[in-house]
Amino acid sequence: DTAVSQTPKYLVTQMGNDKSIKCEQNLGHDTMYWYKQDSKKFLKIMFSYNNKELIINETVPNRFSPKSPDKAHLNLHINSLELGDSAVYFCASSLASRLAGGVRADTQYFGPGTRLTVL
Amino acid sequence: QKEVEQDPGPLSVPEGAIVSLNCTYSNSAFQYFMWYRQYSRKGPELLMYTYSSGNKEDGRFTAQVDKSSKYISLFIRDSQPSDSATYLCAMSPYSSASKIIFGSGTRLSIRP
Repeated sequence: DTAVSQTPKYLVTQMGNDKSIKCEQNLGHDTMYWYKQDSKKFLKIMFSYNNKELIINETVPNRFSPKSPDKAHLNLHINSLELGDSAVYFCASSLASRLAGGVRADTQYFGPGTRLTVL
Repeated sequence: QKEVEQDPGPLSVPEGAIVSLNCTYSNSAFQYFMWYRQYSRKGPELLMYTYSSGNKEDGRFTAQVDKSSKYISLFIRDSQPSDSATYLCAMSPYSSASKIIFGSGTRLSIRP
């Protein structure tokens, strides 16, 4: 069983179009994330939701809008796609845990990625 | 200056060699340190984590954290061709454990 799944796996589209990427996790986690990984493999967080509430919203263009219908799903909608949006988008989920010493850890589990190509 | 610096490589070593991968960081608030492995066209998977200075061992892998120098390392003993992947260091501050900052990744290739 896939723990964190994303659809579609590949997305090729024209500039200016609107597209959505879906993410689902069956791990029972309460926090989900969207990351963007560019061609140089740099992985950067975009958004994070905890129990359907937005908790991290990095500096991302307004064209990107996350939607969390329930805590097992976090979808990413992108309006007016641009060439620079081409990247691999990863969804992840986590369950907060407390380590010895009081440190809080959110070990994140990643989906397989969606490779977006904007032409 | 980036919060987390990692040499992108590529790093190519013969099978059986000891591999050393490193990251430096600038934010002294980081408390939780992780190493992720990412195979080509796959998502990152957590390899090891630690939250204190010192060493943590798991099979052929050893994670080392030196908070005084703001330096973390991952050692791979008896490296195998199946270890060929991109290794990403990652860390987060205690105050916002959800926000993980990743290094840019080091591409590692183990030659048979």
